[in-house]
Amino acid sequence: GIQVEQSPPDLILQEGANSTLRCNFSDSVNNLQWFHQNPWGQLINLFYIPSGTKQNGRLSATTVATERYSLLYISSSQTTDSGVYFCAVEPAYSGAGSYQLTFGKGTKLSVIP
Amino acid sequence: KAGVTQTPRYLIKTRGQQVTLSCSPISGHRSVSWYQQTPGQGLQFLFEYFSETQRNKGNFPGRFSGRQFSNSRSEMNVSTLELGDSALYLCASGRSQETQYFGPGTRLLVL
Repeated sequence: GIQVEQSPPDLILQEGANSTLRCNFSDSVNNLQWFHQNPWGQLINLFYIPSGTKQNGRLSATTVATERYSLLYISSSQTTDSGVYFCAVEPAYSGAGSYQLTFGKGTKLSVIP
Repeated sequence: KAGVTQTPRYLIKTRGQQVTLSCSPISGHRSVSWYQQTPGQGLQFLFEYFSETQRNKGNFPGRFSGRQFSNSRSEMNVSTLELGDSALYLCASGRSQETQYFGPGTRLLVL
């Protein structure tokens, strides 16, 4: 099946710093989403971004589908940004209507005051 | 619009018992998927239902089963619980292939 690799696995930032999280995937994808898992376990949607660039406040994401990677940028980090960030993909070979996401192992972000 | 809801939020069972978890999708969403999250294996796909039909199934033993009702609510059942079934079980709903929305999860502890 499709492989999803996220880096770095752990990241510690001072509040106010910027960061870039990376997601590499091994095959073409129909769907790519970034999630933030809060300390209570809920996955919060950040971006649906199988290609292109999107921005939402201090967060932005870019997916270069031809090179099979996606980047999540966090600017001016805050302590509330702490948690685990997951990239999840649905391979193109699964066809339309698959709805089956394969997750990376995540990047654990800790923002310290 | 209300989000995905899951009940119960926490559950403690003993080995050999069976358990049923419930998921109510966002209104209008016909697809419901289930995922298991453990520290060792991460997030893994269990199965997906659409209009009461199972469309996809992950690589889990037959002890894991599910169903979907006509109102799109879904249940998953795990029979003959094992210690390794202790996990966070997450449900997601979607209307199209674009965005899956996740519920808060059910934390299952098997003793």
